[in-house]
Amino acid sequence: NAGVTQTPKFQVLKTGQSMTLQCAQDMNHEYMSWYRQDPGMGLRLIHYSVGAGITDQGEVPNGYNVSRSTTEDFPLRLLSAAPSQTSVYFCASRRGTDTQYFGPGTRLTVL
Amino acid sequence: KQEVTQIPAALSVPEGENLVLNCSFTDSAIYNLQWFRQDPGKGLTSLLLIQSSQREQTSGRLNASLDKSSGRSTLYIAASQPGDSATYLCAVDSGTYKYIFGTGTRLKVLA
Repeated sequence: NAGVTQTPKFQVLKTGQSMTLQCAQDMNHEYMSWYRQDPGMGLRLIHYSVGAGITDQGEVPNGYNVSRSTTEDFPLRLLSAAPSQTSVYFCASRRGTDTQYFGPGTRLTVL
Repeated sequence: KQEVTQIPAALSVPEGENLVLNCSFTDSAIYNLQWFRQDPGKGLTSLLLIQSSQREQTSGRLNASLDKSSGRSTLYIAASQPGDSATYLCAVDSGTYKYIFGTGTRLKVLA
């Protein structure tokens, strides 16, 4: 099993550009989520999904969109990048209340 | 609203010392609590998961306890080694699919 994979590892955007962060898992987990990690603020939940076709907002959803067309994939879209979205983004997945597994992260810089 | 606090924010100890990391949460109605390790520039690695019905979990030199009534969990690391140097995060699942993270304890074990 590859576990949770994320692409790209690094990305630099200009203000106003859009992009999609990819996340995939091969463990057949129904629950997937996106977090951002900022210095001094810990990890904050952006969006999550409890199964294909079902998504919901987390703590900091503004400026981000998600969709879940398959169990395996959970992409995160930045609609119009802003410097405040400079962060490290982590995708995670789990089954029920079992262990949550994290991807390696995407380091995003918005100029 | 669930809030998770980790004290201390940073800790430096000599090799071989036994140490305790603390995690406190404000709402005792939790499904589980998970401890993670994060190395610089890396993703999160799960260390221990404690379900709400459990009091403790052990893995090698690590032992995590959970006291829901007092809103506390501790991670005990025995015979610390320089390789244990990392940031340790706790996260609480309150049953709403939303993990709430503490801001972590940055541990440095000196050789």
